Parts: sequence; structure tokens; C-alpha cells
Amino acid sequence: AQSVAQPEDQVNVAEGNPLTVKCTYSVSGNPYLFWYVQYPNRGLQFLLKYITGDNLVKGSYGFEAEFNKSQTSFHLKKPSALVSDSALYFCAVRALPPGGKLIFGQGTELSVKP
Amino acid sequence: EAGVTQFPSHSVIEKGQTVTLRCDPISGHDNLYWYRRVMGKEIKFLLHFVKESKQDESGMPNNRFLAERTGGTYSTLKVQPAELEDSGVYFCASSQWDDRALYNSPLHFGNGTRLTVT
Repeated sequence: AQSVAQPEDQVNVAEGNPLTVKCTYSVSGNPYLFWYVQYPNRGLQFLLKYITGDNLVKGSYGFEAEFNKSQTSFHLKKPSALVSDSALYFCAVRALPPGGKLIFGQGTELSVKP
Repeated sequence: EAGVTQFPSHSVIEKGQTVTLRCDPISGHDNLYWYRRVMGKEIKFLLHFVKESKQDESGMPNNRFLAERTGGTYSTLKVQPAELEDSGVYFCASSQWDDRALYNSPLHFGNGTRLTVT
């Protein structure tokens, strides 16, 4: 069965410091991986995806993610965190056909302090 | 373009009552998904429509939940009768249908309906 794990419930970072939000996955075959962000009282917003190609994927708001096949990881990163990055982050993997539903991790609360 | 809209945004009902949630997907999106997040847990898949047909309803927890998608446009999710464990945030998402891009295309989510069953 396909699954995603986000080992940290919360990540605290000082503004201006680099941030990493961790994600590991378990899939059969090639993974299709996504990151979404949820701001308070809002829906999930797509940040970036890995389908194939370069292991470093660039997305919205200056975020990027590194796909590591040997470690089955897809960690979200940003070189310099902003207070406005504080939100709930979800990693997801696309399930095998049919349907292509997303399977989500439990989410990581990112808090960036001034 | 208008995004995915859901209403109500919040609903508080008593155990045993009925609640109907509505989702309007982005116009032209054939795929419509329902998800649920219980406090602090992962976002769990409930079901997937392609137009008006149920493609995958493997995530529906039990027969108290009924989802419909009239004419392949908006969708409703009815919970009858509601139980305490049904509390959570219900998300709807939509995406275009494209055989080539099915696994590439991100889902567009609504803001969710927060359901509280007391």
C-alpha cells in the first residue's frame, strides 16, 4: 500500500534561517509526489510536485523540494524563512490508477518567529 | 477563474441529525474528490467522481455517508445520522480530466467545511 509519513508534527524556525519539512514515502513503482500548504481557514494550496527529471524541484513562494530515491524522501526546503510561511504543510503521493487520488501525510505545522 | 467553493463553511449539529455539505468545482473540471481531516490526523480520501459517476468510493467510512454529483456539476455529501466521530474538516477538490496529465495535475481545493457534531 502507498503511504506518506511526516515525522514532525511541528517545526520551529527563526525568520531568515533555512527551513526543512520532512516527508518520506512508500510506493510501488515510480512516485508522483506533491507538497501542499494550508493557511488558517483556507483550503490547501499546491506548492510543487515531482513527477520525473531533476531531483530538485522548485515551486511557489521560494520553496523547493529534494527527491531522494534511495532514502525514499521528498523534503520541503526554503533557504530563508519568512514569518508569512507559518502554516500547515502536507506531503502527498499520487495513488496507482485508477483515479489518481492523493494520499496525504498527517501534516507539519511550521512556525516562523521574527 | 472562480475556485472550488464549499458551503457551509461551518456546521454545528447534534448527534443523530442530518447535514448536507455542498461543493462547486471549478467549471470544466470532470474530477471531483472529497476528503476529510479529523483533528491532528492526516487528510483522508473519501471518494472520487468523474463527471457524475463514482470512480472510487473506497474511502467512504460507512453507509451513513452518501455522496452525489448531479449532472456532473456540483456535488453534495450527506451524513445521516451524524455521529460524534464524524466531526472534522471536509475538503472538496477538483481537477481536469486528461489521460496524459492525470497524474501530473494538481488538485484544486476548496476552503473546507468544518463539521462539529455535539
